Amino acid sequence: AQKVTQAQTEISVVEKEDVTLDCVYETRDTTYYLFWYKQPPSGELVFLIRRNSFDEQNEISGRYSWNFQKSTSSFNFTITASQVVDSAVYFCAFNAGGTSYGKLTFGQGTILTVHP
Amino acid sequence: EAEVAQSPRYKITEKSQAVAFWCDPISGHATLYWYRQILGQGPELLVQFQDESVVDDSQLPKDRFSAERLKGVDSTLKIQPAELGDSAMYLCASSFQINTEAFFGQGTRLTVV
Repeated sequence: AQKVTQAQTEISVVEKEDVTLDCVYETRDTTYYLFWYKQPPSGELVFLIRRNSFDEQNEISGRYSWNFQKSTSSFNFTITASQVVDSAVYFCAFNAGGTSYGKLTFGQGTILTVHP
Repeated sequence: EAEVAQSPRYKITEKSQAVAFWCDPISGHATLYWYRQILGQGPELLVQFQDESVVDDSQLPKDRFSAERLKGVDSTLKIQPAELGDSAMYLCASSFQINTEAFFGQGTRLTVV
């Protein structure tokens, strides 16, 4: 069975600070996908990124960046120059085999609060 | 912008009563998921549909929960009888195909009293 651990329950930063959200996963699968979702107060989960197990290249999208390290089973998410609008709950999720991308095992989530 | 529609947004029901949630996926999306999210935890998959067929309901408590997607479009999740431990957010998600990203609705927050 797969397991996703987000050790940071809550993080509080001041606007413009950089912040990294940690995600560690456990699996015996060789083919898998990792995701990050954002859940604002309105409740819906917003897709941020998908990364497959064969692609360890880091990715940057604007202020967001992701660091995938297979050797440590980690898929960390960094927000550069955080903004108040980044305040939300962030979930790391795992998909085994990539057969159904919506069939996800989620971590417990990290509550990010960005203060002005 | 297309979105997954869920209703009601909030529901309060008494223990042992029946309750139902409705989900209308994005038009054309064949795959539909129901998740349950207990406060302070990540969502957990309850059931997955491909068109009108159940693909995976291994985590659905079948003694009290049921789900249907009769015409392969909108879906209903029912709980009967509701228990206090069922208080949670129920999220619906859909994807165009099984190997494309899932889009989530805003959820139905259920409180059982």
